[in-house]
Amino acid sequence: EAQVTQNPRYLITVTGKKLTVTCSQNMNHEYMSWYRQDPGLGLRQIYYSMNVEVTDKGDVPEGYKVSRKEKRNFPLILESPSPNQTSLYFCASSFGEGDAQYFGPGTRLLVL
Amino acid sequence: GQNIDQPTEMTATEGAIVQINCTYQTSGFNGLFWYQQHAGEAPTFLSYNVLDGLEEKGRFSSFLSRSKGYSYLLLKELQMKDSASYLCAVRDYRGTDSWGKLQFGAGTQVVVTP
Repeated sequence: EAQVTQNPRYLITVTGKKLTVTCSQNMNHEYMSWYRQDPGLGLRQIYYSMNVEVTDKGDVPEGYKVSRKEKRNFPLILESPSPNQTSLYFCASSFGEGDAQYFGPGTRLLVL
Repeated sequence: GQNIDQPTEMTATEGAIVQINCTYQTSGFNGLFWYQQHAGEAPTFLSYNVLDGLEEKGRFSSFLSRSKGYSYLLLKELQMKDSASYLCAVRDYRGTDSWGKLQFGAGTQVVVTP
């Protein structure tokens, strides 16, 4: 089944404790992206990757890191999480940057 | 996104028609997407417009007017399962090598009543 998977789906952590949210797709998509979704603000892009080893900042990259060592995986790293990073995070992928995106199921993060 | 406006909520009756408007401002328009998002779930792709006119897909249609910076999503023969948030997303080309940034609106919550 073609899909985008994210882990974990739910996470409660404390300020400053490094965490990684994994994202994997099995559709051989070149383009992958991370978004956060907050009430009233819609989806905002954090980072995106147009291919292996090619990443770039989205609209809200502060406090986040990404890597794209393999085509299928695009982990999101929070080196020192803070409460303002409490949000719902979505990973998405598409064949190309101009194509419709397939979204993962989301990761709900609470930073205390 | 601050450059994309859509109503916060709309209510309609089962079997009726609802039109969700989206207005946007871009420096270089390069396509508009509509996504559906049920509560607690991921957004799913509905439609894509890059040229003016109407795109029809079953009960859902999407219209674009680039000169007016305006799109709408039309949902016909509403069903209870259509209760969801509908997200308008616009690709804004800014003269880089890429297709341009994708900006999402805050979404329109559609409530379908019996």
